[in-house]
Amino acid sequence: GESVGLHLPTLSVQEGDNSIINCAYSNSASDYFIWYKQESGKGPQFIIDIRSNMDKRQGQRVTVLLNKTVKHLSLQIAATQPGDSAVYFCAENPYSGAGSYQLTFGKGTKLSVIP
Amino acid sequence: SQTIHQWPATLVQPVGSPLSLECTVEGTSNPNLYWYRQAAGRGLQLLFYSVGIGQISSEVPQNLSASRPQDRQFILSSKKLLLSDSGFYLCAWSRGQGFTEAFFGQGTRLTVV
Repeated sequence: GESVGLHLPTLSVQEGDNSIINCAYSNSASDYFIWYKQESGKGPQFIIDIRSNMDKRQGQRVTVLLNKTVKHLSLQIAATQPGDSAVYFCAENPYSGAGSYQLTFGKGTKLSVIP
Repeated sequence: SQTIHQWPATLVQPVGSPLSLECTVEGTSNPNLYWYRQAAGRGLQLLFYSVGIGQISSEVPQNLSASRPQDRQFILSSKKLLLSDSGFYLCAWSRGQGFTEAFFGQGTRLTVV
């Protein structure tokens, strides 16, 4: 995983606004991507995933966009709520087919929702 | 439904002491199992993964080892802890057929003093 140290990217959003969290991945062969939400002191929680044969996938209040041309992934959260405050990680599976087990995690982004 | 249990939640151990963290999964069979470590303010680093009983793959050289004595049990161990072993350890599982999302436990905060 990438090292962020004390300089975790932070996004501050007003409650009710939409949030967009971005992630760049490095391996053009990656075929599966996941967004996780991690609250302080807890394990990451699955939010949404997308396979490389798609460029958009929607869930409840969340949308993931995949741009394979520029190797970019984004998570959009609609009508952001205080409970959305957390660190968000993107993860990629850098291999395809059977036998691929490792998720590579990107930099986390800390989302702070202003009430 | 599937659940993953990881314990203890927090642990303070002296340098040189042994370590044993346990993780169990319920409600599924033949899961892939993983141990990750997360340093403060950082992403997750994969330490070990297992696709079956007794099968362990190590991703990084380190002072730790892993074992899988039963299908749904994964153990992280050390014979002698170092200060650098401090961190947040997370166990995770995924379905054994094909690659899908990984589900994480609540983590163990280990402080080596």
